[in-house]
Amino acid sequence: KAGVTQTPRYLIKTRGQQVTLSCSPISGHRSVSWYQQTPGQGLQFLFEYFSETQRNKGNFPGRFSGRQFSNSRSEMNVSTLELGDSALYLCASSLGSQGADQPQHFGDGTRLSIL
Amino acid sequence: LAKTTQPISMDSYEGQEVNITCSHNNIATNDYITWYQQFPSQGPRFIIQGYKTKVTNEVASLFIPADRKSSTLSLPRVSLSDTAVYYCLVGPRFSSGSARQLTFGSGTQLTVLP
Repeated sequence: KAGVTQTPRYLIKTRGQQVTLSCSPISGHRSVSWYQQTPGQGLQFLFEYFSETQRNKGNFPGRFSGRQFSNSRSEMNVSTLELGDSALYLCASSLGSQGADQPQHFGDGTRLSIL
Repeated sequence: LAKTTQPISMDSYEGQEVNITCSHNNIATNDYITWYQQFPSQGPRFIIQGYKTKVTNEVASLFIPADRKSSTLSLPRVSLSDTAVYYCLVGPRFSSGSARQLTFGSGTQLTVLP
């Protein structure tokens, strides 16, 4: 069974640009969550999608947005990129509700570097 | 939010048992405790999850005291390949409609020495 797939693995952008990251969850998983990981802040929750609807949202500015398609694949978009957006962006999927009793399965992330 | 506290780093030798403790003083009644392992340039990998007492699987054990204000991940006979960051996660079982966010601890860097 294929795991969570994130594309691209690496991305370099400049300030002011926008970027779209993609995540394909494990087959059958309907919940997809996004996280930002940086050395200083650790792992921070961005948002969660379930059945094409955003269910939870973390404390990030509106420049960070996402969506989920009917096949559960998800995209995350960051507009007007800032240097501080440089991070590893992780996607995680699970079977249903985004609860702690249903382990999330993580992809290996997209490393975004802002120049 | 159930904030968690873990040691920043730990060192151990191959073949030893390692215990990593996570403090979560304001854990809620419905919260579960989950531990993840992360290697460099990879996403976190689920290790074990529990609600109370003791849970054991093929790779680790999780000990949770009655007051549930802390938990201990136990790794038996570690090897060099167990060198990684270990995260403690506390969160609700069902988040639908809830404004709560899943919280990851700061993580513990475990280094296994030969």
